[in-house]
Amino acid sequence: DVVMTQSPLSLPVTLGQPASISCRSSQGLVNNDGNIYLNWYQQRPGQSPRRLIYKISNRDSGVPDRFSGSGSGTDFTLKISRVEAEDIGIYYCMQGTHWPYTFGQGTKLEIK
Amino acid sequence: EVQLVESGGGLVQPGGSLRLSCLASGFTFGNDWMSWVRQAPGKGLEWVANIKQRGGETYYVDSVKGRFTISGDNAKNSLYLQLNSLGAEDTATYYCVRNSNGGLDYWGQGTLVTVSS
Repeated sequence: DVVMTQSPLSLPVTLGQPASISCRSSQGLVNNDGNIYLNWYQQRPGQSPRRLIYKISNRDSGVPDRFSGSGSGTDFTLKISRVEAEDIGIYYCMQGTHWPYTFGQGTKLEIK
Repeated sequence: EVQLVESGGGLVQPGGSLRLSCLASGFTFGNDWMSWVRQAPGKGLEWVANIKQRGGETYYVDSVKGRFTISGDNAKNSLYLQLNSLGAEDTATYYCVRNSNGGLDYWGQGTLVTVSS
């Protein structure tokens, strides 16, 4: 199985400041169709997860443009340009290229 | 508006069975892959199973193979997960999720399964 490793696991951030989460896969994520199915999810306290980013850098509908995704090969990054209070929660990366789909351990974003 | 509403969770004894259901609306259910994802209390996310609605192709994570069965009924816009031979390690909130663009875009609110004597 593909192992997804996130860092850091805990991320204290000051409101209005940027934040960055790293995700590394144990093998390449290029699918047979040429796409890289790397996704990012946000889970606010007490809520279901919500997808933010698909195929490395595409924002889902309704996701604020302060969220951005980047990366290639086996290294990927989620960036928040200016953290807001509503961004508190746990962030997960997930690969959808190889069966079984696998998630990172999660990164808990909290406000300093 | 896409909506996924799970039901069927509850308390079950070790070795027991449950059937989870998910009622989908707001999209053409038979066109998409659908998944179940679970989350143990205070833990991370684990993808459990997928089904291709057209053709019924299925995939499972190794830990549930032979015990869980995913199925769908396009006429009822419903997804199911039959859970057999349950153990404490299966205690989790189970989410019904739609697949899209190589990921999971819409999630239900989840249904809690607790395996305990």
